[in-house]
Amino acid sequence: QVQLVESGGGVVQPGRSLRLSCAVSGFIFSSYAMHWVRQAPGKGLEWVAVISYEGSDKYYADSVKGRFTISRDNSKNALYLQMNSLRAEDTAVYYCARGDGGNGGGIYWYLDLWGRGTLVTVSS
Amino acid sequence: DIVMTQSPDSLAVSLGERATINCKSSQSVLYSSNNKNYLAWYQQKPGQPPNLLIYWASTRESGVPDRFSGSGSGTDFTLTINSLQAEDVAVYYCQQYYSTPFTFGQGTRLEIK
Repeated sequence: QVQLVESGGGVVQPGRSLRLSCAVSGFIFSSYAMHWVRQAPGKGLEWVAVISYEGSDKYYADSVKGRFTISRDNSKNALYLQMNSLRAEDTAVYYCARGDGGNGGGIYWYLDLWGRGTLVTVSS
Repeated sequence: DIVMTQSPDSLAVSLGERATINCKSSQSVLYSSNNKNYLAWYQQKPGQPPNLLIYWASTRESGVPDRFSGSGSGTDFTLTINSLQAEDVAVYYCQQYYSTPFTFGQGTRLEIK
């Protein structure tokens, strides 16, 4: 059964750090690029970051560049998002999602599988 | 960055009628080498993650009812929902995956009239 399960969310003070994880099962994780997408309460979707299947290529939204780092551990079927210098505007549900370019097909693909998300609240 | 603009922001359609949602990109998302439009549509129901409906602008994802269809090319795209059902109430998003950052439209809220 294909599953993407995010964890690590919670309440954190502005300026602090948090690390999100996404545990994947049911497909060959190491063959797919992976994304983080967030959604602030009551707002639309905002793409955050993507990492290539082998981890060598990473791209970020301008709003998080320099503060967030996407990474993966293909031996553990896990995706991560290290979030530093958090701001109130980073408050959102964070989703991990798969890009459908299997067999190392690159990052320029639609998002075909999504987790249920984890809520990050940045507040003092 | 490519800006994605959807219209309208919300619409109300009667059951059994057609709903049409538009998406315009600030630059072309048509890749000439493979003649593919790097444009997807997603449906998001309350309390759920987004669900892929359409990719390459017009290819329906497996399991998506055939009343959903996508069209358009270059910078102008349309999601059409024929014979609207109650379960189609949701927010719909377009997204370009032509270049990073992979931007979404602001969303269109679809309700029953």
